[in-house]
Amino acid sequence: EPEVTQTPSHQVTQMGQEVILRCVPISNHLYFYWYRQILGQKVEFLVSFYNNEISEKSEIFDDQFSVERPDGSNFTLKIRSTKLEDSAMYFCASSQILAFFGQGTRLTVV
Amino acid sequence: AQKITQTQPGMFVQEKEAVTLDCTYDTSDQSYGLFWYKQPSSGEMIFLIYQGSYDEQNATEGRYSLNFQKARKSANLVISASQLGDSAMYFCAMRDKGSSNTGKLIFGQGTTLQVKP
Repeated sequence: EPEVTQTPSHQVTQMGQEVILRCVPISNHLYFYWYRQILGQKVEFLVSFYNNEISEKSEIFDDQFSVERPDGSNFTLKIRSTKLEDSAMYFCASSQILAFFGQGTRLTVV
Repeated sequence: AQKITQTQPGMFVQEKEAVTLDCTYDTSDQSYGLFWYKQPSSGEMIFLIYQGSYDEQNATEGRYSLNFQKARKSANLVISASQLGDSAMYFCAMRDKGSSNTGKLIFGQGTTLQVKP
């Protein structure tokens, strides 16, 4: 069964460092997303990506965030200069009609 | 504005019994989709079931069914014959056009389900 794959599963980084979270969406899906879940809270939309460009972004997705689909299969989220409050679970998702999520990357900023 | 509300922060159910997790939504769109996801303690987000707003029949997937009441704007998840492995957080989510057509999901706050042996 096709699935969304995220790497790494856990990442610990120092405040101010750059991190790149990687995702391989389901191959025939056209819509890609990043969501964030701070511990114990609900899942929040960050950004959607369609036809090789951002189609929508939330208020959370400020200038320190960027997304790329560099090679037609991977979909990455970059956080340029991490802050303590960026600590969260980050989910990649892809969809046609149904939306499937990866297993998440737990990011801890220390 | 689009909104999803899950009013039950926590629920308990006895193993082998059925349980209903509540979800109400608010949208002005006629075309929308409703999703339920399971999040076990390991953290992944597992798709369970989907209901489209124009689907005439309630969705079912194995032990999961969705009690869709369009007029009341509710989309409750029913889990039959609960198993210990059903203990998890459950999220209701909605996709509608809203202000854009990006297909993003809006999530409720989640319900923690604990199945007692």
